[in-house]
Formats: sequence, C-alpha cells, structure tokens
Amino acid sequence: DAGVIQSPRHEVTEMGQEVTLRCKPISGHNSLFWYRQTMMRGLELLIYFNNNVPIDDSGMPEDRFSAKMPNASFSTLKIQPSEPRDSAVYFCASSIPPGLTNTGELFFGEGSRLTVL
Amino acid sequence: QKEVEQDPGPLSVPEGAIVSLNCTYSNSAFQYFMWYRQYSRKGPELLMYTYSSGNKEDGRFTAQVDKSSKYISLFIRDSQPSDSATYLCAMSARLTGGGNKLTFGTGTQLKVEL
Repeated sequence: DAGVIQSPRHEVTEMGQEVTLRCKPISGHNSLFWYRQTMMRGLELLIYFNNNVPIDDSGMPEDRFSAKMPNASFSTLKIQPSEPRDSAVYFCASSIPPGLTNTGELFFGEGSRLTVL
Repeated sequence: QKEVEQDPGPLSVPEGAIVSLNCTYSNSAFQYFMWYRQYSRKGPELLMYTYSSGNKEDGRFTAQVDKSSKYISLFIRDSQPSDSATYLCAMSARLTGGGNKLTFGTGTQLKVEL
C-alpha cells in the first residue's frame, strides 16, 4: 500500500514568493496533520483536520500560512508570502482515530524540504 | 517551559552498548506515550507505544513510563549501527472533535559506531 505522499520533496524559492505543499493521505485515514520540523524547535503541529474539517489550527504561525483539505484524499499547505524563517521540513501525517484495536498511530510522509532565500 | 523536554544529543555509542534515551513532560493530560524513529531525510516512524506506567519490551527495545514523575525512557540493548537515527518521544491527549494530538520532543540524535 502507498503511504502518505507529499510533493514537492524539495523546494527552493525566493522571499515573497508563494509556496504550495501538497499531501495525499493514506486511503481510509480520516485525520490529517501538517507538522513543521526545524533543528531549533523540533516537530511542531501546524494544523489538524478530522474528516476534512480543520479542527485545530492554533499552531499556524501567522496569516501567511493557510491549509485546505477539499476532499479526503488531498490537502495543501500554502505560504504567501514566504520568508527565510519559513525554511524547514514540512511533514504531512495521517491516522485513524485510536480505538480498541489501533493506537491512533501517525503515518508520516517523507516531507517537503523548503528553503526560502 | 516546553510541554515535552528531550536532550537533543548527539549521542555516540559503540556497537553493542546499551542506550538510554529520556524525556520529561509537564502536561498531566497526556495519556499515550510513544517513541518514533526518524532516519535521515525520512519521516518519523512509530517504534514503541504505551499508555500505562511500567515497562513494555519489544525485542531489543524497552519503553518505560513513570507517570508520577512525568518521565519516559527508551532503552536499546545490543545497539547496532542500523539503530543510528533520531529518536523522538511523543505524547498525546485527546482532541476536541476526535483523534489525538501528538506533542513531540525535539529528538535525540543517536550514532552507533562500529
């Protein structure tokens, strides 16, 4: 089975440009998470969707960041305008809710490495 | 103060050594405790999972949780070069609307030398 698929794997852009990161979760998973990882701050949760509805976006750093999930198989994270401090690896993860027979484990994609010059 | 504290390392040990990785936390609402392993330029993968105080063993790996002290540990016995990775502790509490929110430590970078 395919895991979580993210694109692009690498993005280099200039300050002020718009960046769109894409994620396809594992089929059947109804929860989707966007994380950002940096050396200084580790993995930070940006936003969480449950059944395509944004539930918790308290981690979104500012209005320059937005995320959408138009259907169960696709999500985007957009940064407009981008700044050098946005440089990080952005991970998408999906899961099913924890229950009697599962742990609610997060399955991560391989990440999108963003560099803003 | 961060909700989850983890020593970033790096930690370098010889092959065959016992490795101890630790995290402390401050949020009493955390119910589930996990260890993720992340290889270079890859996403994290679940290694161990527990939801109660005590020990859980899986092969060379043992996860230990002490809720009274808000302290969790991961022990690796007979460490191998293939164990070289970043190890992230993660803890979760239920989210409004369903599902779990994972809060991660910053990760400890481990290198097992031949």
